[in-house]
Amino acid sequence: EAGVAQSPRYKIIEKRQSVAFWCNPISGHATLYWYQQILGQGPKLLIQFQNNGVVDDSQLPKDRFSAERLKGVDSTLKIQPAKLEDSAVYLCASSFKQNTEAFFGQGTRLTVV
Amino acid sequence: EDQVTQSPEALRLQEGESSSLNCSYTVSGLRGLFWYRQDPGKGPEFLFTLYSAGEEKEKERLKATLTKKESFLHITAPKPEDSATYLCAVQATQKLVFGQGTRLTINP
Repeated sequence: EAGVAQSPRYKIIEKRQSVAFWCNPISGHATLYWYQQILGQGPKLLIQFQNNGVVDDSQLPKDRFSAERLKGVDSTLKIQPAKLEDSAVYLCASSFKQNTEAFFGQGTRLTVV
Repeated sequence: EDQVTQSPEALRLQEGESSSLNCSYTVSGLRGLFWYRQDPGKGPEFLFTLYSAGEEKEKERLKATLTKKESFLHITAPKPEDSATYLCAVQATQKLVFGQGTRLTINP
């Protein structure tokens, strides 16, 4: 079974530029998560989708971050404009349904300079 | 607000020295508790799911237990390859909330 695919693996941008991350979840998984993980900390939930609907986005900085999950499959997370404090690893995860284990991709390491 | 706290933040053991990691939680409506292992530069790897107090799960040298307020990850006779960050996550009513992790180092 293929795992969660994320791209790119690494990205370096200047502050105020925009960036987008892509995630392809495990086939058949209805729930999709985007997490931000700053070095030395646990993952922080940014947004959670159930199919193509948003379940929770309470910690998503909506003035600069946006996410969508078209057709309930792939998802993109965008940052515009980026700030220095956005430097982190962005993790995508998926689960068959809510309340079941989530499986993670390798993450995208973003560096904002 | 849902909270998950892990302790200790870091733990250094000698090979073969058993110990336990703690995950305490305050959530409204626990739907499940999950343990993950994370190696540097990689995404978290799923280990266990626990759903109700008294439940236990085992895998090789790891054993996870759950009470109404906390979970323990017991590591028996660890090996250097068990070195990693161990993350605890709690499924609250809708959200999956992570603790900050315990960084475990096993010295040969």
